[in-house]
Amino acid sequence: TQLLEQSPQFLSIQEGENLTVYCNSSSVFSSLQWYRQEPGEGPVLLVTVVTGGEVKKLKRLTFQFGDARKDSSLHITAAQPGDTGLYLCAPQPPNTGNQFYFGTGTSLTVIP
Amino acid sequence: NAGVTQTPKFQVLKTGQSMTLQCAQDMNHEYMSWYRQDPGMGLRLIHYSVGAGITDQGEVPNGYNVSRSTTEDFPLRLLSAAPSQTSVYFCASSPVPGELFFGEGSRLTVL
Repeated sequence: TQLLEQSPQFLSIQEGENLTVYCNSSSVFSSLQWYRQEPGEGPVLLVTVVTGGEVKKLKRLTFQFGDARKDSSLHITAAQPGDTGLYLCAPQPPNTGNQFYFGTGTSLTVIP
Repeated sequence: NAGVTQTPKFQVLKTGQSMTLQCAQDMNHEYMSWYRQDPGMGLRLIHYSVGAGITDQGEVPNGYNVSRSTTEDFPLRLLSAAPSQTSVYFCASSPVPGELFFGEGSRLTVL
């Protein structure tokens, strides 16, 4: 099992604010996925990053994979109430097929 | 599209009872897996399968059995339920490599 840390664990912000959540490990990963989970539902994929230093944008969400492929961040610009949910990072260790191990997640609440 | 279907959505068991959580997918994915989600623990991998007839253990396999007789179905069996198995269980399928498609979850309470 990989040692994986997501921070912060909880985040409550006002609509329109910016925020960043982090996913850190001491291990190197082949790739990393970010998921969002809403109450009562299963996680849904937001993005997959593969290359060290890679930056991907999805509307107001910006994802970055660390140069050494050990960490990642998710930045949300001008947060909206619809962004509320649990954000999970899921790194894939090398040579593990399609096994993804999830972090504990960041629970985000955006207050209107 | 049905995607990944889990049944039942809710179940209450007494300690020592056995039951099976059903998972079916209609996307012809080779890879399927079971996770449990507990507060503050994230999603933990229980068992996974890379194709019909092939299964393997994840992080927390004790107390659970799986089988994969068809591509579509991947049931999770609790042999003798314990209160520590109270959790929300998610089944996921994926093409290999690719994103995980999750079911809506099965909430299990063991008294």
